[in-house]
Amino acid sequence: EAQVTQNPRYLITVTGKKLTVTCSQNMNHEYMSWYRQDPGLGLRQIYYSMNVEVTDKGDVPEGYKVSRKEKRNFPLILESPSPNQTSLYFCASSRLAGFTDTQYFGPGTRLTVL
Amino acid sequence: KNEVEQSPQNLTAQEGEFITINCSYSVGISALHWLQQHPGGGIVSLFMLSSGKKKHGRLIATINIQEKHSSLHITASHPRDSAVYICAVMDSNYQLIWGAGTKLIIKP
Repeated sequence: EAQVTQNPRYLITVTGKKLTVTCSQNMNHEYMSWYRQDPGLGLRQIYYSMNVEVTDKGDVPEGYKVSRKEKRNFPLILESPSPNQTSLYFCASSRLAGFTDTQYFGPGTRLTVL
Repeated sequence: KNEVEQSPQNLTAQEGEFITINCSYSVGISALHWLQQHPGGGIVSLFMLSSGKKKHGRLIATINIQEKHSSLHITASHPRDSAVYICAVMDSNYQLIWGAGTKLIIKP
């Protein structure tokens, strides 16, 4: 089954404690991206990757890092989380870059930073 | 003024009703997407349009490029259609612009 998986689905952590949210897709998609969703602000893109070892900043990259060492995986790293990073996070992938193709979303990760 | 505006913001209807959600945009676009976000949070891509009309089951999406307007229709609505429907456009610079979403509730 074609899917995008994210882990963990829920996470409560404390300020400053490094964390990683994993994202994996099994569709051999080249394009992957991370979004955060906050009430009243909709979805905002954090980072995206056009292919292995190619990543770029989205609209709200501050406080986040990503890596794309393998085509299927695109982890999101918060080196020193802060309460303003409390949000619902989505990973997405597509065959072609950006929104020029159908997007497949992961189930979301609800992060709370205390 | 937002570049992508959806209407209505909230919509409550009875099971079986024909539903229309509208999306208007003010920029030139290369593609428009309709997505569905379930109460549990998961997001599903419904349609990608650059012209004309697409149909999938009870869902129909249309776009009028000249009028910069798209509609999402649901025929024979069902409580399981209750969700937030999001319109998103990719402008000619490949920037993503999201609508605020329309929250749809279908009552049995």
